[in-house]
Amino acid sequence: SAVISQKPSRDICQRGTSLTIQCQVDSQVTMMFWYRQQPGQSLTLIATANQGSEATYESGFVIDKFPISRPNLTFSTLTVSNMSPEDSSIYLCSVETNGNTIYFGEGSWLTVV
Amino acid sequence: GENVEQHPSTLSVQEGDSAVIKCTYSDSASNYFPWYKQELGKGPQLIIDIRSNVGEKKDQRIAVTLNKTAKHFSLHITETQPEDSAVYFCAASSGTGFQKLVFGTGTRLLVSP
Repeated sequence: SAVISQKPSRDICQRGTSLTIQCQVDSQVTMMFWYRQQPGQSLTLIATANQGSEATYESGFVIDKFPISRPNLTFSTLTVSNMSPEDSSIYLCSVETNGNTIYFGEGSWLTVV
Repeated sequence: GENVEQHPSTLSVQEGDSAVIKCTYSDSASNYFPWYKQELGKGPQLIIDIRSNVGEKKDQRIAVTLNKTAKHFSLHITETQPEDSAVYFCAASSGTGFQKLVFGTGTRLLVSP
């Protein structure tokens, strides 16, 4: 398995500001993913973060809005830029272990006011 | 791209009964099918997964079956307990070489004592 830590766990943000979410894994992993879960909804993939290269974004998500960093094999950040109330969601970090199993962190619960 | 449908959206059972949640997928190249349990205020917890070369997998009270021909897979929980109450998500990999997951819409399971 994998132990995934996310910071912050919760935050209330002012519209127009940006927030960076950190994800730390307890072991080296090749693939890290960022998902969004809007209130009462399912999970949607934002992007895949590879170490040493630019993140790959899914349709509907752009780098200017959700810049991602992946400086090493155990850490990644997701920034939510110029936030609006529609960005109020749970942002989830996910990793694929060497056994090709997918685990999730506890999420970062953002409310934009 | 992959599309995953999940039924039912809500499921109420009495403690000790069995619960079954069903999912269908569209991409015949999908090869990884995990199930996650999400309790209120927490991130998704992997409870069981199955790969396309296996038809059934069990772990104590939980089992998953996969029918590749029909492109559907199901979660079976026996002897349900109140602590099984949560939202359950099925997912399927997109089959593009790494485990990029597409999720179902979720099933809210309520187990009454």
